[in-house]
Amino acid sequence: GAGVSQSPSNKVTEKGKDVELRCDPISGHTALYWYRQSLGQGLEFLIYFQGNSAPDKSGLPSDRFSAERTGGSVSTLTIQRTQQEDSAVYLCASSLSSETEQFFGPGTRLTVL
Amino acid sequence: KQEVTQIPAALSVPEGENLVLNCSFTDSAIYNLQWFRQDPGKGLTSLLLIQSSQREQTSGRLNASLDKSSGRSTLYIAASQPGDSATYLCAVNSGNTPLVFGKGTRLSVIA
Repeated sequence: GAGVSQSPSNKVTEKGKDVELRCDPISGHTALYWYRQSLGQGLEFLIYFQGNSAPDKSGLPSDRFSAERTGGSVSTLTIQRTQQEDSAVYLCASSLSSETEQFFGPGTRLTVL
Repeated sequence: KQEVTQIPAALSVPEGENLVLNCSFTDSAIYNLQWFRQDPGKGLTSLLLIQSSQREQTSGRLNASLDKSSGRSTLYIAASQPGDSATYLCAVNSGNTPLVFGKGTRLSVIA
């Protein structure tokens, strides 16, 4: 696996349910980012990890959103009590450091009914 | 606060034309600038990365330039093909912060 992978690729859930999205960064990349892209909108930053710590959580839209990263590798983004406005494509990216090229995964398309 | 603007928002050209996509940013204190391609329903593919100390980067038919002092970058696509049809995104990295993206230019190359 040379690239960033994300799972699931598609998720349909009912309003009020919790969802977990997973990101596997490129091996050795210390920086990991979550973004989301709503229909017809630009990319919106959510959270940034350097190793296992998150120095920048400023983009999380509400306290229903949380993320963690373990072992400096896999990250999960959790959305609790999903709302219809959470429907979007959630993209993960990783890079060797915060100043180098970012590589994106294919995204998870979340649909909240 | 860094802001990135891309012009035009959409562009339609006949196959074979050379074209230029524009990107401007408000804060010149950047580490690098990346150009991405996004196909409908897909993730982002990195096309070119220009470090702040560089003036341009080339990859095949693509050439990206950077004028950091004036806050501008251009992506030049030579001899466009229908397969180049996609949305092209410019993003600026100021270090220890997330990428700041423009809203993209939607390119259609007509056969």
